[in-house]
Amino acid sequence: DAGVIQSPRHEVTEMGQEVTLRCKPISGHNSLFWYRQTMMRGLELLIYFNNNVPIDDSGMPEDRFSAKMPNASFSTLKIQPSEPRDSAVYFCASILGGPNNEQFFGPGTRLTVL
Amino acid sequence: QKEVEQNSGPLSVPEGAIASLNCTYSDRVSQSFFWYRQYSGKSPELIMSIYSNGDKEDGRFTAQLNKASQYVSLLIRDSQPSDSATYLCAVNWGGKLIFGQGTELSVKP
Repeated sequence: DAGVIQSPRHEVTEMGQEVTLRCKPISGHNSLFWYRQTMMRGLELLIYFNNNVPIDDSGMPEDRFSAKMPNASFSTLKIQPSEPRDSAVYFCASILGGPNNEQFFGPGTRLTVL
Repeated sequence: QKEVEQNSGPLSVPEGAIASLNCTYSDRVSQSFFWYRQYSGKSPELIMSIYSNGDKEDGRFTAQLNKASQYVSLLIRDSQPSDSATYLCAVNWGGKLIFGQGTELSVKP
């Protein structure tokens, strides 16, 4: 298996632009998580899906952030409009079964908003 | 506010020594605990999971859990330079992981 796939790996954009991050979970995994990592705040959970349904989006910082999972093999995290403080590494992770199992992380997308 | 706290370090140990990483958490309801390792510029990867009080050993790694004290630790025996990384403690609350800030470990040859 190729593992969790994220694209793009790096994104540089200007303030005010729309940014879309993409994630393909490991085939067969039933839960998907979006995280953001910064030096100041560490690794924060933004939102997670179970069987394609959003379960908890309490970590989404603002209405500028939205996430979708239209099917079991694809999810997007969108920021519109982007701001410099959104600069971070965004990770997607997936899991098979319950929350006591291992979360497998993707390689991350490094976002820079100028 | 549920919290997971770790000493940010850096923790520096000589090669061959035991590295001890500590983590405390704020909620007594937590049932499962994890240690992830993250190399610079890479994504986190699971090292150990522990669910019951006591010790759990896997090779050179030992996780220790004390639910009464709300404390979980990771011991790395015979530390190697390749163990140099940031170690993240994570606690499962209601199906989602809450991560600590991580402890940076440096193993000197």
